[in-house]
Amino acid sequence: QLQLQESGPGLVKPSETLSLTCTVSGDSITSSSHYWGWIRQPPLKGLEWIGNIYYTGTTDYSPPLRSRVTISVDTSKNQFSLRLASVTAADTALYFCARQVVGGDYGDWGQGLLVTVSS
Amino acid sequence: EIVLTQSPGTLSVSPGERATLSCRASQSINSNYFAWYQQRPGQAPRLLIYTASSRVPGIPDRFSGSGSGTNFTLSVSRLEPDDYAVYYCHQSWRSPQTFGQGTKVEIK
Repeated sequence: QLQLQESGPGLVKPSETLSLTCTVSGDSITSSSHYWGWIRQPPLKGLEWIGNIYYTGTTDYSPPLRSRVTISVDTSKNQFSLRLASVTAADTALYFCARQVVGGDYGDWGQGLLVTVSS
Repeated sequence: EIVLTQSPGTLSVSPGERATLSCRASQSINSNYFAWYQQRPGQAPRLLIYTASSRVPGIPDRFSGSGSGTNFTLSVSRLEPDDYAVYYCHQSWRSPQTFGQGTKVEIK
């Protein structure tokens, strides 16, 4: 059974870089049928798509975040990661990693990790 | 960017009644790239409907999706306690992918 688990610091200082990792179990991250994505949800707000990656390293990012975001994949560890630079309080959110069918829906999600940006 | 506008923002429905949720897109979407999710408090979103009208295995047939082009609908019949949640639509037809702002279904 597929499981996705986010990990990383729950508190990041303003202007620093947020770094999260999603560990995938129950499926290979080199699956040709799936993308691996990050979605976030600010407190009491809706879902915001951040971006996704294919196992080959091909990425797609949300335009408002593109200048600050990097998504990478480590096939040897079956993990993919999110880095978001120069964070502000507006980046405080619940961060989800998820598996997406190529050209389709997010069928599997991690439980989410709350990241607070504060000094 | 394709903007998805969900209506209403909040829907008050009595148990056992039917809820009808709308999602309108700012431009036409290929139905194969449209989905609905349910999010209960404190939980991750859960995929309900994919390709606009296909129900995920294990999702009750009380949930149904329909629509095409710019207008999509999620219907939930005979509402049960677990159905009171926030529902989001999602498109992956054009980058950037986008979600609707959500419709909260609350107990009337």
